[in-house]
Amino acid sequence: GAGVSQSPRYKVAKRGQDVALRCDPISGHVSLFWYQQALGQGPEFLTYFQNEAQLDKSGLPSDRFFAERPEGSVSTLKIQRTQQEDSAVYLCASSARTGDQETQYFGPGTRLLVL
Amino acid sequence: AQKVTQAQTEISVVEKEDVTLDCVYETRDTTYYLFWYKQPPSGELVFLIRRNSFDEQNEISGRYSWNFQKSTSSFNFTITASQVVDSAVYFCALSEANTGFQKLVFGTGTRLLVSP
Repeated sequence: GAGVSQSPRYKVAKRGQDVALRCDPISGHVSLFWYQQALGQGPEFLTYFQNEAQLDKSGLPSDRFFAERPEGSVSTLKIQRTQQEDSAVYLCASSARTGDQETQYFGPGTRLLVL
Repeated sequence: AQKVTQAQTEISVVEKEDVTLDCVYETRDTTYYLFWYKQPPSGELVFLIRRNSFDEQNEISGRYSWNFQKSTSSFNFTITASQVVDSAVYFCALSEANTGFQKLVFGTGTRLLVSP
């Protein structure tokens, strides 16, 4: 079966531009997560959805970051007025409702470079 | 506060050597999960293992083995007879009951280089 997919895989933006990053979770997975991974660091939690409800957004670094999952499947992470410090890999993960719900399966990430 | 420490930044070995990657964690929760993920150059995090806090049995899967010791808050990962394909960054991670296991806290990773 298909894993988590993300698009685009690479994005170059000029400072001040808005960007939108897409995540398609594993089919049937209820929970969806966004992480930010700076160069040479481990991923850091940004936000979490259960179905369409955003239950935790404590990791979003500023109000320029916004995530949505309107139909409980595909999610979009939007960054407004990008800054150079936003340059990172943005990872999406999903997990099942039961059984294996504690395990998150990750996509390939979107590498964002802000010039 | 929850924290995961991977003190080894980079390890270089020659093929067929055994190598152990260290992971030390901190948590106030009594119920938690520990994980290891592999991140090859392609960038995708690949799930390797999940272990809950009540199961201290060591686990072996092929050339991989894991040693979980609550007494030292460690969850170390050993690769036996390493291969070039094992070259990657390996992350240890923790999730706690008080967050509904819905937030992974990662260490900074250990880069493993296996040369032929």
